[in-house]
Amino acid sequence: NAGVTQTPKFRVLKTGQSMTLLCAQDMNHEYMYWYRQDPGMGLRLIHYSVGEGTTAKGEVPDGYNVSRLKKQNFLLGLESAAPSQTSVYFCASSTRPGLGEQYFGPGTRLTVT
Amino acid sequence: EDQVTQSPEALRLQEGESSSLNCSYTVSGLRGLFWYRQDPGKGPEFLFTLYSAGEEKEKERLKATLTKKESFLHITAPKPEDSATYLCAVQEVAGGTSYGKLTFGQGTILTVHP
Repeated sequence: NAGVTQTPKFRVLKTGQSMTLLCAQDMNHEYMYWYRQDPGMGLRLIHYSVGEGTTAKGEVPDGYNVSRLKKQNFLLGLESAAPSQTSVYFCASSTRPGLGEQYFGPGTRLTVT
Repeated sequence: EDQVTQSPEALRLQEGESSSLNCSYTVSGLRGLFWYRQDPGKGPEFLFTLYSAGEEKEKERLKATLTKKESFLHITAPKPEDSATYLCAVQEVAGGTSYGKLTFGQGTILTVHP
C-alpha cells in the first residue's frame, strides 16, 4: 500500500514551458486535491476533484489545469510556466471532505527560471 | 473568510522541556480542526482531528485541545525526533457550493535540542 505518490519529485522549467505533474493513490479515495506550499503562505488549494471525471477550482487556480480521468489519478498541468509558479506542489486524497482527514503525497519541487 | 493563525512561528526547546503551540481560527461554521506534522522535504502527516470545544486527543507525547476560538498542541517531555513543522487546519461546514475545504495556518517550526 503506497498511499499517495507523486511524480516527478523535482523539476526545473524555463518560463513558457509546459509540464504535467502526476498524482496516484491506491486507497480508493473519492476526493483528491492539489496544493502549493510557499514560504510564509501556508498550503493553498489549487484545484480539487470530488470523483472520477470531475474537477473544480480552489483558491489559486490561475495558470493551472487538472484532469481526473481515472479515480486513482489526478493530473496537474502547467500550460505556460511562470516564475511565480516556483513552489512545492502536494497532492492529497480523502474518502469524503466531511471527514477532513487528508493523506498527502511527498511533494514535487518545481523551479521555473 | 476563514483565517488560521499559528504561534509562535518557531519554537526551540531542550529535550524534556514541555511547551504548547497555538492555533487561533475564525470560521463561519467549524466542521473540524486538524493538526498535521510535516518533516523537511516531506508531505504533511495527519495527527489529530478535533470537532467540538472541550475535546482532547492524545498521541504519545502530543495532546491537542480545542476551544471555540483556538486549539493548543501540548508537547510533553519532547524528544529530538519531535522536531518538525506542525500545521493546523480548519474545515468549514460543507454546504451549497462549499466542499468543506481545509484552510491551513503557516505552521510552527519546532526544534528540540538534545
